[in-house]
Amino acid sequence: NAGVTQTPKFQVLKTGQSMTLQCAQDMNHEYMSWYRQDPGMGLRLIHYSVGAGITDQGEVPNGYNVSRSTTEDFPLRLLSAAPSQTSVYFCASSYMGGTNQPQHFGDGTRLSIL
Amino acid sequence: GNSVTQMEGPVTLSEEAFLTINCTYTATGYPSLFWYVQYPGEGLQLLLKATKADDKGSNKGFEATYRKETTSFHLEKGSVQVSDSAVYFCALSLVAGGTSYGKLTFGQGTILTVHP
Repeated sequence: NAGVTQTPKFQVLKTGQSMTLQCAQDMNHEYMSWYRQDPGMGLRLIHYSVGAGITDQGEVPNGYNVSRSTTEDFPLRLLSAAPSQTSVYFCASSYMGGTNQPQHFGDGTRLSIL
Repeated sequence: GNSVTQMEGPVTLSEEAFLTINCTYTATGYPSLFWYVQYPGEGLQLLLKATKADDKGSNKGFEATYRKETTSFHLEKGSVQVSDSAVYFCALSLVAGGTSYGKLTFGQGTILTVHP
């Protein structure tokens, strides 16, 4: 199994550009989520989804859009990149069913906004 | 709100030393608790978990006990190795009202470096 696959691994953008970070999982997980990781701040939840067609905001959603058309894919869109969005982005997935389900993480996308 | 506080790092140890990374939490409910580990250039991996008070999670020589009375989940290992060098994250998961899934809240992470 590939687990959670994120592409690209690295990306440099200019302020105002748009792009989509891809995330795919092959474990038939219902729950998928996006986090950003910044130094000294741990991981913060951006958006999450509990199934195809269902998404909701996390702690830091501003500047990001998501959609979930299939169980497998959960792309994250930056509509107009800003330097404050320079970060490492992680996608994660898990089964539903309570608090004890561990999250499975991708290897991350390192994004720099100039 | 919910929050997780980890001891400030970085932590630098010699091989075979004893490791403790402190973690305390505040939560509006009864959370599950996790330790995740991130090796250089990789995503996070689950290290261990505990889902109720006095549970002890363990894996790869690491242990942590869910202490409800002190709202803590400290990570310990008796003898660290160079290969344990990584970033360690404490996290809690609480079911959102009316749902059946848990949303993770992370601590800020502790960088551990182990020297030969």
